[in-house]
Parts: sequence; C-alpha cells; structure tokens
Amino acid sequence: QSVLTQPPSASGTPGQRVTISCSGSSSNVGRNTVNWYQQLPGTAPKLLIYTNNQRPSGVPDRFSGSKSGTSASLAISGLQSEDEADYYCAAWDDRLIGWLFGGGTKLTVL
Amino acid sequence: QVQLQQSGPGLVKPSQTLSLTCAISGDSVSSNSAAWNWIRQSPSRGLEWLGRTYYRSKWYNEYAVSVKSRVTINPDTSKNQFSLQLSSVTPEDTSIYYCARALMGAIKDWGQGTLVTVSS
Repeated sequence: QSVLTQPPSASGTPGQRVTISCSGSSSNVGRNTVNWYQQLPGTAPKLLIYTNNQRPSGVPDRFSGSKSGTSASLAISGLQSEDEADYYCAAWDDRLIGWLFGGGTKLTVL
Repeated sequence: QVQLQQSGPGLVKPSQTLSLTCAISGDSVSSNSAAWNWIRQSPSRGLEWLGRTYYRSKWYNEYAVSVKSRVTINPDTSKNQFSLQLSSVTPEDTSIYYCARALMGAIKDWGQGTLVTVSS
C-alpha cells in the first residue's frame, strides 16, 4: 500500500521555525484534506492539524498547516524542546478507498 | 470527550486469528457522523490503516486492499464497541494495533494501542 512522502528527519534549534513536507497524488492530497499528527514515544498519535490548517482545541498556534495541489506542509514556529517527536501526515485516498499515512518525520530539537 | 479502550491478547500464534475489541465511551458506535477504524503501526510498515465500520442508515465496512481477504471489523451495538479480527496471521502482522474514531474528515481520537506479537 502506497504512502504519502515525508522527509525522514528534520531538526532545528529552540526558537527556530521548521517545516515538514508531505507529498501525495491526485487521488489523496490533491482531492482531500490533509491532517497532521504528533506522536511522542510510547503514545498514540495525537491530532495536531485537521482539514489542512485547522487546530483542535488545546494545540498551540505555533503549529500551522497548509496545502497546495498534491503537497502539504506543517510548520512549527518558536521551536521548543517538547516539540521533539514524530510527525505524520494523513489523507483519505479515493482510489484505494482508505486512509493513507506519511512515513513519518522525526523532529529533533538541537 | 470520547474515550476508546482497547482489549485483547498481546500474543497470537502463527496461522491463528488476532482478535481485538475497542469499547467506546462518549459516543455511539451507531453514530451517523463517526466512522470506527483500526490502524496498526510497526517499524517496517509505519502507520497502516486496516479498515473501518460506520452506520449511515445501514452498516458499511471498508477494508485496506493489503488485508482485505483476512480482516473483519464488526460493530456491537449492545456493548457500544467494535472489534477487529485478522485471520491467518504471520510474524509480519506483529504491530501495535490502534482503534480510532474518525469525524468530519479526520481521525480524531485514538485508543491506547495494543502491542500484538505473532510468535509460536
């Protein structure tokens, strides 16, 4: 089963802004909204961004999302040590009829 | 606030059937707006959606192509829960299994996860 393409790793220093990309195709990212998840070690993924750019209650506004065509991005500004985690994008695929996830990006705060 | 509580064995023998249950509180498995999903995660396969069940005047099921011949997801309205059965398991099915609720185009809520190991 195909996945959405994310860089395997990203890094930044405290206070910096980092972005994580997510590339898909016309049957998933190009046609449907993108969601982002944060996963801390040993825990379930947590919804961070939904419908491309919406934040659930309680998610800091340092986190933002965008989408253009078949690609999407997650931006984290004012990087903090607690942001060190794995980040995943997800989108529904109309051709496969199922949810697709990115391979995950491990964010390191230097 | 919805809560999803998973239960089931953590060890399954090869060729047997993996069975997990997800108990729902704070919502109904018969909700006309939610979909109830099973997702697994392993280092080799990443996050992999397995399938879902949902109610829109009648029950629907959709399964991932990769497991379609082996997977069954069933709602249990009497207990407000849903289940996963994966047959003919091999060591490749060793993963952390999550149940999850999707609402309005996003998987919003996740169970705590169950590590299932396939080994004799």
